[in-house]
Amino acid sequence: RKEVEQDPGPFNVPEGATVAFNCTYSNSASQSFFWYRQDCRKEPKLLMSVYSSGNEDGRFTAQLNRASQYISLLIRDSKLSDSATYLCVVNLNDMRFGAGTRLTVKP
Amino acid sequence: NAGVTQTPKFQVLKTGQSMTLQCAQDMNHEYMSWYRQDPGMGLRLIHYSVGAGITDQGEVPNGYNVSRSTTEDFPLRLLSAAPSQTSVYFCASGAGIGVGVYGYTFGSGTRLTVV
Repeated sequence: RKEVEQDPGPFNVPEGATVAFNCTYSNSASQSFFWYRQDCRKEPKLLMSVYSSGNEDGRFTAQLNRASQYISLLIRDSKLSDSATYLCVVNLNDMRFGAGTRLTVKP
Repeated sequence: NAGVTQTPKFQVLKTGQSMTLQCAQDMNHEYMSWYRQDPGMGLRLIHYSVGAGITDQGEVPNGYNVSRSTTEDFPLRLLSAAPSQTSVYFCASGAGIGVGVYGYTFGSGTRLTVV
């Protein structure tokens, strides 16, 4: 079993849609959690950290369920510029990445 | 503020050649790491360092060596290149393992092809 598993996608949605990504992790001792965004042929960039209480940053909402070892990312009112691959990241002693979910937002 | 700088950006090697991928950061971060990214596999950790003089293996360390003589630099050495090492390599740095709030900063990557 992979340490971090994500919906493989791809997700193709129209502008303005709401889209949700899911991620599960295998190690219950994991300490911190993130979502990264990666544009085609670019380096990953931190989108947001994920807290147990849930957190929101504009159109983006992240949730963490430690009991189920589950992380989610919700994007509301999708923009063309949201098209990218979204990486779920889990930190224990080092950072472990999911394979990513590709999102394409279409006009 | 340059952040994390990787060189070269592109490299073609012949099987059996050796080379060093360079990584430097100017943020005084303690933690540095190397990942490789292959299609459908996500990023896999090769080696990491929690400070000068300290390194450890990640998920896929075979065929690679690292050293950390200074806080700023963390080079990755390919000992004898193989076609299976064709990949995109990313260096990352962070304020420390578990310092999760700030995440990690990545370099722009090195695209390596081994023929």
